[in-house]
Amino acid sequence: EAQVTQNPRYLITVTGKKLTVTCSQNMNHEYMSWYRQDPGLGLRQIYYSMNVEVTDKGDVPEGYKVSRKEKRNFPLILESPSPNQTSLYFCASGLSGATDTQYFGPGTRLTVL
Amino acid sequence: QKEVEQDPGPLSVPEGAIVSLNCTYSNSAFQYFMWYRQYSRKGPELLMYTYSSGNKEDGRFTAQVDKSSKYISLFIRDSQPSDSATYLCAMSTSGTYKYIFGTGTRLKVLA
Repeated sequence: EAQVTQNPRYLITVTGKKLTVTCSQNMNHEYMSWYRQDPGLGLRQIYYSMNVEVTDKGDVPEGYKVSRKEKRNFPLILESPSPNQTSLYFCASGLSGATDTQYFGPGTRLTVL
Repeated sequence: QKEVEQDPGPLSVPEGAIVSLNCTYSNSAFQYFMWYRQYSRKGPELLMYTYSSGNKEDGRFTAQVDKSSKYISLFIRDSQPSDSATYLCAMSTSGTYKYIFGTGTRLKVLA
């Protein structure tokens, strides 16, 4: 089944404790992206990747890191999480970006205490 | 001013009604316009995709883009309770990989 998977689906952590949210797609897509979704603010793009080893900032990259060492994986790293990073996070993938359908993962709900 | 504005609703309509959902935007460089549907506790899924101006129809759904007014719409005909979800508009420019989303409109179709 073609899909985007994210792990973990739910995470409660404390301020400053490094964490990684994994994202994997099995559709051989070149484009992958991370979003956060907050009430009243909608979906905001954090980082995106056009291909292996090629990443760029979205609208809200502060406090996040990403890497794209393999085509199928695009982990989101929070080196020192803070409470304002409490949010619902979505990973998405697409064939090539703006002109193609994005397929979203199921989401990761992160709470930073 | 946000780049993309969308009324959050909620919007409640009876089953069978025609639903109109709208977004306005300020960036005239947007060329790709999308509508996503998001059910509760799920990721968004693409409903409609339109390039530049004009209309596009797919079953009960019609997407309209009016670039002169910087206004896009999604119409749902013969709405069903299963259409109850949050609808997000999204936009991007040519040659970029960045997407800007609206905040979403929550729709409830009453049986």
